[in-house]
Amino acid sequence: RKEVEQDPGPFNVPEGATVAFNCTYSNSASQSFFWYRQDCRKEPKLLMSVYSSGNEDGRFTAQLNRASQYISLLIRDSKLSDSATYLCVGHNAGNMLTFGGGTRLMVKP
Amino acid sequence: DAGVIQSPRHEVTEMGQEVTLRCKPISGHNSLFWYRQTMMRGLELLIYFNNNVPIDDSGMPEDRFSAKMPNASFSTLKIQPSEPRDSAVYFCASREASGSSYNEQFFGPGTRLTVL
Repeated sequence: RKEVEQDPGPFNVPEGATVAFNCTYSNSASQSFFWYRQDCRKEPKLLMSVYSSGNEDGRFTAQLNRASQYISLLIRDSKLSDSATYLCVGHNAGNMLTFGGGTRLMVKP
Repeated sequence: DAGVIQSPRHEVTEMGQEVTLRCKPISGHNSLFWYRQTMMRGLELLIYFNNNVPIDDSGMPEDRFSAKMPNASFSTLKIQPSEPRDSAVYFCASREASGSSYNEQFFGPGTRLTVL
């Protein structure tokens, strides 16, 4: 079983829709979590951090539920440019990142 | 800043050949990471360096893989001999020292390796 698991998708949604992704993690010692975005044939880039109190950045909201060991990402009013793969990432005490397999989002006109 | 620089961007080689991938981290960053990404296994950490010293190489798949960081501005990942199953995108990432808090890892553009 992978340490961070995600539904690979793809999620196909129309422009303007709200879409939510979840990921689950198995290492309860993970200190913090992040969402990275990876465009096709590009490198991953940090989208936002996720802390226990949650985090909101414009149309994006990330939540962490430590009791259930899952993290969510909500995208409101989705744009064509949101089409990408979203990687759920855990950070452990060894200062290393563990990446989920990614969830692919396709926003259609 | 130019960001993390990797070379070559693409490499096609034949099974059994030696492959060397290169990385220049962002100036001032003292942690460097090598990752491999495949469709089947996703993004996996191979090895990471702190202040040019290898800290964790538990992700290196086997003895055919080796990595060095001779100075703060250069690292190599070598595969010898290469095999078709090594075909993947290899990313290098760097980060400032963080202590107990997290500092963002910045990824290079990757090297797409194909072993025939």
